[in-house]
Amino acid sequence: AQTVTQSQPEMSVQEAETVTLSCTYDTSESDYYLFWYKQPPSRQMILVIRQEAYKQQNATENRFSVNFQKAAKSFSLKISDSQLGDAAMYFCAYRSGRSQGNLIFGKGTKLSVKP
Amino acid sequence: DAGITQSPRYKITETGRQVTLMCHQTWSHSYMFWYRQDLGHGLRLIYYSAAADITDKGEVPDGYVVSRSKTENFPLTLESATRSQTSVYFCASSDQSGGNYEQYFGPGTRLTVT
Repeated sequence: AQTVTQSQPEMSVQEAETVTLSCTYDTSESDYYLFWYKQPPSRQMILVIRQEAYKQQNATENRFSVNFQKAAKSFSLKISDSQLGDAAMYFCAYRSGRSQGNLIFGKGTKLSVKP
Repeated sequence: DAGITQSPRYKITETGRQVTLMCHQTWSHSYMFWYRQDLGHGLRLIYYSAAADITDKGEVPDGYVVSRSKTENFPLTLESATRSQTSVYFCASSDQSGGNYEQYFGPGTRLTVT
C-alpha cells in the first residue's frame, strides 16, 4: 500500500522569506500523481500544485514550486516570498495512476508566517 | 451557485443516533469521495463513487453507509453514531476526464458525537 509521510508537524517562516516543506512517499508504481493542498483556518481544501510522475520538470505555480525527486520518492514544496496569507496546514497527497482517483494524504504540516 | 456544497456545516448528535451528511455538486463530475479528517491522521478515505449507483469502500468504511442515486448527490450516513466518529467530514468530486485529476473539495462538516 502507498504511504505519504510529512516529517515536519510544524514550520515557521518570516514574511518575505522562503520555506520548504518536506514530503516523502512510498510506492512501487511508476504511474502516479502528487499534490500539495493548502488548508487555511476556514477548513477549505485548496489545491496548490500538482506533479505528474512521468514529467521530469518540476511544477511551478507563481511563488510555489516543487522539488520532485522520483528516485528518492521525495516531493517537497518551496514557498518563495512568503506572505501572511500562506499561513495554513499543508497536505501532501498521492494518487495512483491505476486507482479510482482517491487521494492518500500525509498528516500535514502547519505553517506559521511571522510578520 | 455552482460548486460543491455540504450540509449541515456543523452537527452535534448523540451516541446511537443516525445522522446523514449531505453532499451536492453542480459540475456533473462522475467521481465523488468522502474523507474524514482527524488530528494526527490527515484525511482518510471513507467511501467513493465512480458514477451513479456505483460505490466502493475506502480506507475507513466501518460504521458508514453511502448511496448515489443521482450523479450530483452523495450522502453519507452514520447508522448508529459513535464518539469515535467525531470528526470533520469532507466531500470531494472529480471529473477525471482529459487528464484532469484535480479533486474539488466541499467546505466540510464538523460532526460531534456526544
